[in-house]
Amino acid sequence: DQQVKQNSPSLSVQEGRISILNCDYTNSMFDYFLWYKKYPAEGPTFLISISSIKDKNEDGRFTVFLNKSAKHLSLHIVPSQPGDSAVYFCAARISNFGNEKLTFGTGTRLTIIP
Amino acid sequence: DADVTQTPRNRITKTGKRIMLECSQTKGHDRMYWYRQDPGLGLRLIYYSFDVKDINKGEISDGYSVSRQAQAKFSLSLESAIPNQTALYFCATSDLVGQGWHTEAFFGQGTRLTVV
Repeated sequence: DQQVKQNSPSLSVQEGRISILNCDYTNSMFDYFLWYKKYPAEGPTFLISISSIKDKNEDGRFTVFLNKSAKHLSLHIVPSQPGDSAVYFCAARISNFGNEKLTFGTGTRLTIIP
Repeated sequence: DADVTQTPRNRITKTGKRIMLECSQTKGHDRMYWYRQDPGLGLRLIYYSFDVKDINKGEISDGYSVSRQAQAKFSLSLESAIPNQTALYFCATSDLVGQGWHTEAFFGQGTRLTVV
């Protein structure tokens, strides 16, 4: 049972345009969400996160939006740059008095076209 | 040097062989994790440890075992490797940050394991 889903395995975007990566979840107990970026031959690296008490978090070119009623979050990258080409994973967590662990989505491969 | 180091980086082994993947970290984190990545399935949690005396099964622990030798070391073993354990394996660490219980995980570079 995939509790965190990324329905688009791949996405291509022109350089300078906006990239929008989507993630859906089914467990309403998730209260913290993260996005990770992964380059080939490297481990995932943390990109940006959002708590369920917020609906938006921004960090430079990256913004994450959370729609709790729809159980949906999205990552916006603007403007997109060639170095953004990577696999992006969303992840979710349930606060449980220290017993937290992350549940990951299946990933979306983003390709930025120069 | 990387904060989270995995050895080996690549390994080919035969079906039925025992193999150990090792992970060490210099971040001083108590929490360590083993994930595997498969195409189309994302990252799935195998085992995790919140301190040296604490070991927990993840969602896909069958066929695997772990050992937390020290705060900095967490090993994953395949007692009798089978071809469907061919995957990319990642070790990760995390720690609590502030009152928000942030659990940003830091990953190693991965071990590509092929079982033939």
